[in-house]
Amino acid sequence: AQSVTQLGSHVSVSEGALVLLRCNYSSSVPPYLFWYVQYPNQGLQLLLKYTTGATLVKGINGFEAEFKKSETSFHLTKPSAHMSDAAEYFCAVRGKNDYKLSFGAGTTVTVRA
Amino acid sequence: DGGITQSPKYLFRKEGQNVTLSCEQNLNHDAMYWYRQDPGQGLRLIYYSQIVNDFQKGDIAEGYSVSREKKESFPLTVTSAQKNPTAFYLCASTPDGGVGQPQHFGDGTRLSIL
Repeated sequence: AQSVTQLGSHVSVSEGALVLLRCNYSSSVPPYLFWYVQYPNQGLQLLLKYTTGATLVKGINGFEAEFKKSETSFHLTKPSAHMSDAAEYFCAVRGKNDYKLSFGAGTTVTVRA
Repeated sequence: DGGITQSPKYLFRKEGQNVTLSCEQNLNHDAMYWYRQDPGQGLRLIYYSQIVNDFQKGDIAEGYSVSREKKESFPLTVTSAQKNPTAFYLCASTPDGGVGQPQHFGDGTRLSIL
């Protein structure tokens, strides 16, 4: 079974600063990888996904993530934080032949003015 | 617009009562999923269904039941056997079995005990 580790349950950044959210997965075969964002009392919205091909993936709202097979990582970044980025972020993994997603515990981002 | 509709948004359960959470999608997706979300624990899979009239238990199915009589509907019943039902419940769907495809989520139902 896949497992996902998100380092840091809370991240606080200043407006305009770099946002870096870390995600590591356990898998012997490169899986499908996803980042989702959740605003309070709402469902999850897809930010970006990696399936095959280019390892640097660009998503919505200026976010991007890089798949590094050697490090089994899929860290999420945004060069300049905006107040609207305050939310909870989830990394998720699915095996190549698996219908189920495994989620990390989530990272809550707060943005300081 | 296509999407997933969960209702109600807030639900209260009395001791010994079964309650049913509704999930309807008009995306023509084959696979549907139910997750439970607790603070600091991410999302945990309760049940999933890849096709009509078929469903499988997820990681925390005890105390829950589902049905999949129609492609667009996947209701979840929280039974009285679920002793700690207070949580945020999310329904999701993917097209064509969903391998490699992202899951689309509804806006959730928050269940509390009276």
